[in-house]
Amino acid sequence: NAGVTQTPKFQVLKTGQSMTLQCAQDMNHEYMSWYRQDPGMGLRLIHYSVGAGITDQGEVPNGYNVSRSTTEDFPLRLLSAAPSQTSVYFCASSPSFTNTEAFFGQGTRLTVV
Amino acid sequence: GENVEQHPSTLSVQEGDSAVIKCTYSDSASNYFPWYKQELGKGPQLIIDIRSNVGEKKDQRIAVTLNKTAKHFSLHITETQPEDSAVYFCAASSTGGGNKLTFGTGTQLKVEL
Repeated sequence: NAGVTQTPKFQVLKTGQSMTLQCAQDMNHEYMSWYRQDPGMGLRLIHYSVGAGITDQGEVPNGYNVSRSTTEDFPLRLLSAAPSQTSVYFCASSPSFTNTEAFFGQGTRLTVV
Repeated sequence: GENVEQHPSTLSVQEGDSAVIKCTYSDSASNYFPWYKQELGKGPQLIIDIRSNVGEKKDQRIAVTLNKTAKHFSLHITETQPEDSAVYFCAASSTGGGNKLTFGTGTQLKVEL
């Protein structure tokens, strides 16, 4: 079982560049979400989706875009990277919105210079 | 919104001793409280969770207790082993599941030989 797969694992961007962090799950989970992890701050929710075609904002959505065209994929887009977006990004999925645990990917370490 | 505080930020114990990590939450609507273990370079992995209709849950050497009145919950690890060394995160959700989680800031547990 692949579970939740994130690519790339590491990325360095220059300020102002754009990129897409990929997230795919092969468990047919309805719910997917993106978190960022910063030192001393735990994980914070960026965006989430309760199903294909439906997305919503989390705690820290500014500077990020998402879409959910298929059940399997939930890409996170940085339109114009800023140094404040240097972080480790985790994608998670769960079978439904309630009463189920979340499964996390291995993370993408992003550095914006 | 929800706020989760976690203590201590670092914890060092001798192998075989017990470890206790405590969290408090602010939103009385929160009804799902998972604990995640994160090893270096990996994504968080669920180790145990508890729902608001239960006061205590145990799984081998790991137990979680919940006090809804005081809005706090704790992780207890008994007979600690070197492989327990990791960062532990508590989290809370009002959806009943592992979605839209609000995380604590993490506890670095070190089990010394």
